[in-house]
Amino acid sequence: GENVEQHPSTLSVQEGDSAVIKCTYSDSASNYFPWYKQELGKRPQLIIDIRSNVGEKKDQRIAVTLNKTAKHFSLHITETQPEDSAVYFCAADSFSGGGADGLTFGKGTHLIIQP
Amino acid sequence: DGGITQSPKYLFRKEGQNVTLSCEQNLNHDAMYWYRQDPGQGLRLIYYSQIVNDFQKGDIAEGYSVSREKKESFPLTVTSAQKNPTAFYLCASSIGGGAGTDTQYFGPGTRLTVL
Repeated sequence: GENVEQHPSTLSVQEGDSAVIKCTYSDSASNYFPWYKQELGKRPQLIIDIRSNVGEKKDQRIAVTLNKTAKHFSLHITETQPEDSAVYFCAADSFSGGGADGLTFGKGTHLIIQP
Repeated sequence: DGGITQSPKYLFRKEGQNVTLSCEQNLNHDAMYWYRQDPGQGLRLIYYSQIVNDFQKGDIAEGYSVSREKKESFPLTVTSAQKNPTAFYLCASSIGGGAGTDTQYFGPGTRLTVL
């Protein structure tokens, strides 16, 4: 099955600086890679996703890059703000037969924005 | 994701009891999923259903059971066979119906504590 590794587990950056979170995956058949943001006690919220036919996707201060050859993808947050503080999860889909089998998640990165 | 509801928000169970967690969606999504989240961990897939009257085991199905009798409902039963059931349980849904992976939207979660 799919295995997703996420680093770092904790990331502290100064407000206004950039943050980068990296993930690797094992299943070359995976082709959908979402990123979720989760605040304490709340549900995960999708912030951006990318599919394997695209190398990069950007949405305002957030961007995701994908390297299918190396099987890794990264989340980039620029001009960080206090409200960016949360736990971020990467995920990859997995397949068997004709349909998607759900997502495999990394263990999360606790992003701390220092004022 | 406001169209996915879970109840109850908090649930306490005595050892040896079965409990059922509710998940309902009004998004007309075909696919539904159950994940478990432990402190400091990512989400792990318990069961998923791509269509009514069909469901598949995920990575950690032992000690759990599900049913999918209606499109909008996907209840999860935590049985007494689950050795360590205390966790945050998250239900998700996606459009489904195709060979690719669609965006998953999460419910607010149920926090289960075994006394």
